[in-house]
Amino acid sequence: ETGVTQTPRHLVMGMTNKKSLKCEQHLGHNAMYWYKQSAKKPLELMFVYSLEERVENNSVPSRFSPECPNSSHLFLHLHTLQPEDSALYLCASSRAGQGNTEAFFGQGTRLTVV
Amino acid sequence: DQQVKQNSPSLSVQEGRISILNCDYTNSMFDYFLWYKKYPAEGPTFLISISSIKDKNEDGRFTVFLNKSAKHLSLHIVPSQPGDSAVYFCAARKGGATNKLIFGTGTLLAVQP
Repeated sequence: ETGVTQTPRHLVMGMTNKKSLKCEQHLGHNAMYWYKQSAKKPLELMFVYSLEERVENNSVPSRFSPECPNSSHLFLHLHTLQPEDSALYLCASSRAGQGNTEAFFGQGTRLTVV
Repeated sequence: DQQVKQNSPSLSVQEGRISILNCDYTNSMFDYFLWYKKYPAEGPTFLISISSIKDKNEDGRFTVFLNKSAKHLSLHIVPSQPGDSAVYFCAARKGGATNKLIFGTGTLLAVQP
């Protein structure tokens, strides 16, 4: 248990569906992140929120839409995905700013697009 | 352009021996380096870190070495145990407001009993 909880753990969706991934952290952190892990690729940073404001969007297609309603919650809204979007989606949180602050990860959502 | 590289996709070691996992980076602006361990179907778990102003950090069986001139860091596990079998990710941080991490591709460590 890392203090970062992701739901659902597994999701299968069709290309025309709309779904959302949820992330919740109970660590008092003020920065949250979405990462994507595809087979044989590094973890790819998708979005960064700091103090509930999106500060980074790494050229992610618009079919992925993040939302951060408060510092404890982060969502990733999905619509009209492609099969190549199938991957493990990981949420992480950390304290923003300087200092020795590692990111804590959730267990991930295994997404399969059919 | 991959800024953090782990060139060995896998490593097999006998129980009790030393495991050495390597990582190279290209960006001299990275100020903090971390190692994460990941089991299947779980998220990465923080293992150990090192600031760019240091060259060694030790925590129990785990030691991380940083060679800034070579832009290289390594993780030593001594002695290796079967429970250490996992994927190990090297990550580097660019200083700033968000502490975002750049990850390598990971090395699968298998510790044989």
